[in-house]
Amino acid sequence: DAGVIQSPRHEVTEMGQEVTLRCKPISGHNSLFWYRQTMMRGLELLIYFNNNVPIDDSGMPEDRFSAKMPNASFSTLKIQPSEPRDSAVYFCASSLRTGGVETQYFGPGTRLLVL
Amino acid sequence: GDSVTQMEGPVTLSEEAFLTINCTYTATGYPSLFWYVQYPGEGLQLLLKATKADDKGSNKGFEATYRKETTSFHLEKGSVQVSDSAVYFCAAQGGSEKLVFGKGTKLTVNP
Repeated sequence: DAGVIQSPRHEVTEMGQEVTLRCKPISGHNSLFWYRQTMMRGLELLIYFNNNVPIDDSGMPEDRFSAKMPNASFSTLKIQPSEPRDSAVYFCASSLRTGGVETQYFGPGTRLLVL
Repeated sequence: GDSVTQMEGPVTLSEEAFLTINCTYTATGYPSLFWYVQYPGEGLQLLLKATKADDKGSNKGFEATYRKETTSFHLEKGSVQVSDSAVYFCAAQGGSEKLVFGKGTKLTVNP
């Protein structure tokens, strides 16, 4: 049973470049979450979707960040233009919203370094 | 809003020692509580959870009890192993789907 799949696993880019991170949630899950993890700020929720619709994007740092979920099996997080302070590990997680307790399942993360 | 506070690390123990990592929460109502574990270079994995007061979550020798009176969900293990070395996150889920995480506690177990 495949878990959450993220690509790329590692990304090194230069300041000003566009970065696109990809996520494939677990099949059948209807909620998807994007997190950012840094030493300074810990784990932060950036945005989450339910049934492909963005529900809460209050954690998105600024307009340089955007996220889409065109269908139930794919989501992207885009940073344009990227800056060195965006360097972090970005995690995607998915869950099945049933109205009860919803366990989130995390992908392996994308380690982003912006030079 | 909801918040989770867990003990600062790092924590270093010898193999077979007893482990406690403290976690307290602030939330409206009765959130569901979770412990996640992150091994080096990996994503977070659910370790255990509890959904109501006095529930005990357990997995792989780890336990945590949902204490409403003290708003706590402390993680314990009677005898840690080197393979338990990881970062442990306490989390709460209130009325929405959002998980609120603590800052994480890094555990190192030496042979």
